[in-house]
Amino acid sequence: NAGVTQTPKFQVLKTGQSMTLQCAQDMNHEYMSWYRQDPGMGLRLIHYSVGAGITDQGEVPNGYNVSRSTTEDFPLRLLSAAPSQTSVYFCASSYGPKVGYTFGSGTRLTVV
Amino acid sequence: GESVGLHLPTLSVQEGDNSIINCAYSNSASDYFIWYKQESGKGPQFIIDIRSNMDKRQGQRVTVLLNKTVKHLSLQIAATQPGDSAVYFCAENANYGQNFVFGPGTRLSVLP
Repeated sequence: NAGVTQTPKFQVLKTGQSMTLQCAQDMNHEYMSWYRQDPGMGLRLIHYSVGAGITDQGEVPNGYNVSRSTTEDFPLRLLSAAPSQTSVYFCASSYGPKVGYTFGSGTRLTVV
Repeated sequence: GESVGLHLPTLSVQEGDNSIINCAYSNSASDYFIWYKQESGKGPQFIIDIRSNMDKRQGQRVTVLLNKTVKHLSLQIAATQPGDSAVYFCAENANYGQNFVFGPGTRLSVLP
């Protein structure tokens, strides 16, 4: 089992560019989430999904889109990158509600 | 001792001593809590969880205590080792699903 795989590990974007952060899990987990981590602020939920075809917004969804066409994949799209989106992004998955997540290793994104 | 750094509170302990990391949670309706460990450059790793119908739960070298009256959670690490050096996050969940709210984290530094 690879667990939760995120690509790329590092990315630099120019303001206004778009890109997709990839997340895949091979544990057949129904629940998947995207978090961003900024210094001194812990992790904040961007979007989450409780199964294929179902997504919902978290605490900080503006500027991001998600889709969940398969159980395995949960990509995060930045529509028009802004410097405020400079952060470390983590994808996580779990088999159900109220259980611990398995996190990926993160994508460090810099927007200049 | 415990001090507030630029971004994270830091707890410094001698190798072999016990560590206590504290967390104040915000929502009195939260009924499920998790402690995560995050090493530099990695994603958070699940340590231990506790549900609101319990006051204490023990794992291997770790104990979580929950005080619902004052909305306080603590993580005790016995015989702290150099490999325990990391940032520790508490997370609370109040809703059905995976809307976890993470605390800002505490950096544990183990001194030789």
